[in-house]
Amino acid sequence: AQKVTQAQTEISVVEKEDVTLDCVYETRDTTYYLFWYKQPPSGELVFLIRRNSFDEQNEISGRYSWNFQKSTSSFNFTITASQVVDSAVYFCALSEEHGGATNKLIFGTGTLLAVQP
Amino acid sequence: DVKVTQSSRYLVKRTGEKVFLECVQDMDHENMFWYRQDPGLGLRLIYFSYDVKMKEKGDIPEGYSVSREKKERFSLILESASTNQTSMYLCASRSGGNEKLFFGSGTQLSVL
Repeated sequence: AQKVTQAQTEISVVEKEDVTLDCVYETRDTTYYLFWYKQPPSGELVFLIRRNSFDEQNEISGRYSWNFQKSTSSFNFTITASQVVDSAVYFCALSEEHGGATNKLIFGTGTLLAVQP
Repeated sequence: DVKVTQSSRYLVKRTGEKVFLECVQDMDHENMFWYRQDPGLGLRLIYFSYDVKMKEKGDIPEGYSVSREKKERFSLILESASTNQTSMYLCASRSGGNEKLFFGSGTQLSVL
């Protein structure tokens, strides 16, 4: 069965520190997709990235980077030089390929990141 | 801009009431979802719909039903609200199987 584990419930850092949010997943499928979403205090989840299981290249987008390692079933998210605006709850999610249109997206429990000025 | 709109941001209901949560998307998306979000539990899938009049149970469907009569609208129904259904409810939509989800702002439901 699919499962996503975000072991870090809360992280607090000071502005300009780097921070890594961990995500470990379980799946029986060889084809699957991994996602990260950000939920700021306003409440609306915002898509950050999607990665398929055949693409293990790391991704960088500005201060954000993602490290996908199939060997450890992890898809970790790093924020470099954190800012107060990065304060939010971050969710990792997994979708398996086999269901097609009926694929469910399963979320982890989220990590609350607080960036102090 | 693409939009998923949930009818209410905050809702207070009494135990036993029938509650309707409405969600509308303007992106012509095939798939729509209802999640509930509780502290420490993340987002849990209640129901989803992959086409008009089609629905599938998620992980926690008990106590809920859904309706999708038109492509753009997906309603979540609490037949007889209970206090353990106090939660944040999030609606989402997507264009296809593994595409990204677009979320609404959520409805914070309190059942007293």
